[in-house]
Order: sequence, then structure tokens, then C-alpha cells
Amino acid sequence: EPEVTQTPSHQVTQMGQEVILRCVPISNHLYFYWYRQILGQKVEFLVSFYNNEISEKSEIFDDQFSVERPDGSNFTLKIRSTKLEDSAMYFCASKKEKLFFGSGTQLSVL
Amino acid sequence: DAKTTQPTSMDCAEGRAANLPCNHSTISGNEYVYWYRQIHSQGPQYIIHGLKNNETNEMASLIITEDRKSSTLILPHATLRDTAVYYCIVRQRRDTDKLIFGTGTRLQVFP
Repeated sequence: EPEVTQTPSHQVTQMGQEVILRCVPISNHLYFYWYRQILGQKVEFLVSFYNNEISEKSEIFDDQFSVERPDGSNFTLKIRSTKLEDSAMYFCASKKEKLFFGSGTQLSVL
Repeated sequence: DAKTTQPTSMDCAEGRAANLPCNHSTISGNEYVYWYRQIHSQGPQYIIHGLKNNETNEMASLIITEDRKSSTLILPHATLRDTAVYYCIVRQRRDTDKLIFGTGTRLQVFP
């Protein structure tokens, strides 16, 4: 079965540093998403992306966050200046008819 | 999107059917019932969805009551690998629409 691939599986960074989380969605999918899950909490929607632009974003997705699909295969989430509270598991997802999630990137901000 | 209510946790013996209930009394006519599960910090996994008819696939069956105010996800022969948090989500079927996850039901399958 095709799958959404995320790299790295773990990322440790210092507060204030920039991080880029990478995702390779399933190849014929058109809709892309980022979600996050803080340890012990619910899975939260961050942003959806379609036709090379953001279609919806949550309150969490402030100016520190950005997404990009630079080359038609990768889908990235950038956090410009990480904060301690950005520590979470970040899930990428893509959809054609059904939504498929990647296995996540565990981001730890120290 | 309509709100859903699920039990916090359930147990099931391996090999038995696991029946996970979900209440969605405020569901509207164009909203679907979706079920996802999350196995220990992995990404959520799609299981099944339906509008008003009962549905079955290789993973599970979905039984929706006639008034559509509640539904039951059935795993016919639960295995230890089915231990997970199961989320019932009600939403319209819009292409770019997000999923809103609640706290779900933590299903523990025991030997």
C-alpha cells in the first residue's frame, strides 16, 4: 500500500532555532495537511494545502509557521523560531479520496 | 461539524468482537461518520466511513442507526494489534476539510 513518508523521525533543536520537517505525500494525491499532537493530548489540525496554496489554517498556525511544496513531491513545514511549546509529534497527511497519515516527526525543543 | 461522544476506554478479549459505540445526536443530513484509529503515537489510520447505510470493509463494519444519531464500529475478531485509540468523527465530505479529533476510545485487547 502506498504511504506518506516523513523525515526525520526525530528532531532535537534549541529554542529559537529554525526547523524544517519534511514529508513525501502519496504521489497522486492533491490535498496535503499538517497535524500535530502534544504528548498526551489530542491530534490537532494545523494547516491544509491545495493547488499550491494554503486552503485553511488553525489558530496554532501563526506567523512562525510556513508550508511549502517546493518541487512537486516534497511538502515541508517550517517553524522559524522554535519555542518550548512547539515540542510535539508532527504528522503529515495527504488525500485523494481517503486521508493517509505519515508516521510522524517527533520534535523536541530544548 | 457535529459533536461526538465516545466512552473513554473499553476492553476486549482477543478473538472476540469489539463493538465501539459513538453518539452523534446533532448530526445533520449531509454529514458522514468517519472512524480512524491511532496505534501508540503512530499517525492516525483510516478505518471506515458511512452516511446512512451500514458499511463493511476488510478492517471493520460500521452500523449506523436509522435515525443516524449513533453508530457502532465493529472489529469482528479483535487481535492484540487492534489495541489503539479509536476516533469517531462526524463531518461533511468536503475535499479540503480538516478532521477534528476528540479524545476517542482507548481499546485494550487482552489475551
